[in-house]
Amino acid sequence: QKEVEQDPGPLSVPEGAIVSLNCTYSNSAFQYFMWYRQYSRKGPELLMYTYSSGNKEDGRFTAQVDKSSKYISLFIRDSQPSDSATYLCAMRGTGRRALTFGSGTRLQVQP
Amino acid sequence: NAGVTQTPKFQVLKTGQSMTLQCAQDMNHNSMYWYRQDPGMGLRLIYYSASEGTTDKGEVPNGYNVSRLNKREFSLRLESAAPSQTSVYFCASSRSSGENNEQFFGPGTRLTVL
Repeated sequence: QKEVEQDPGPLSVPEGAIVSLNCTYSNSAFQYFMWYRQYSRKGPELLMYTYSSGNKEDGRFTAQVDKSSKYISLFIRDSQPSDSATYLCAMRGTGRRALTFGSGTRLQVQP
Repeated sequence: NAGVTQTPKFQVLKTGQSMTLQCAQDMNHNSMYWYRQDPGMGLRLIYYSASEGTTDKGEVPNGYNVSRLNKREFSLRLESAAPSQTSVYFCASSRSSGENNEQFFGPGTRLTVL
């Protein structure tokens, strides 16, 4: 079983919709949680970075972490065609440098 | 600032050939990483270098070697390429370990081994 599970999609939504992307994990030592966006044939770029449980908001993006359920989410409000990409969750434990990634969810926002 | 740069962008090898993937960062970061990305597998860590002069194995190190040439540069070498090493390779860097360990990625190298 993978340490981090993520639905590969594709997830197709109309422009303006609220998008919910999720990951579950099994390692209770994970403390730092990240969401990366990866456009086709490009490197991942960091979107959100959170520590431990709670919410973090940045513009149209909100990241949630529920450590009791080992579940993290990324919400995208007012989705745009430019949001079409693969979204990767990543996480690590305290004192560790290496990240453990989910396999990514491909999102398509239809104009 | 260019961030993280990787060369080459594309490469085709025959089984048994060797090659070195180059990575450089201009952000004065201490830590550097090599990942591979395969369909349905996400990114998996091959090797990392916490600081200049140190390297450590990641999740999938077999068949690879690395060199941290200086603070800026971290290379990945395939001594005898195999078809299983067909993948997209990403280099990343971060300032340090600790709380603020955001990793910044390069554009990737697409490698095909025939």
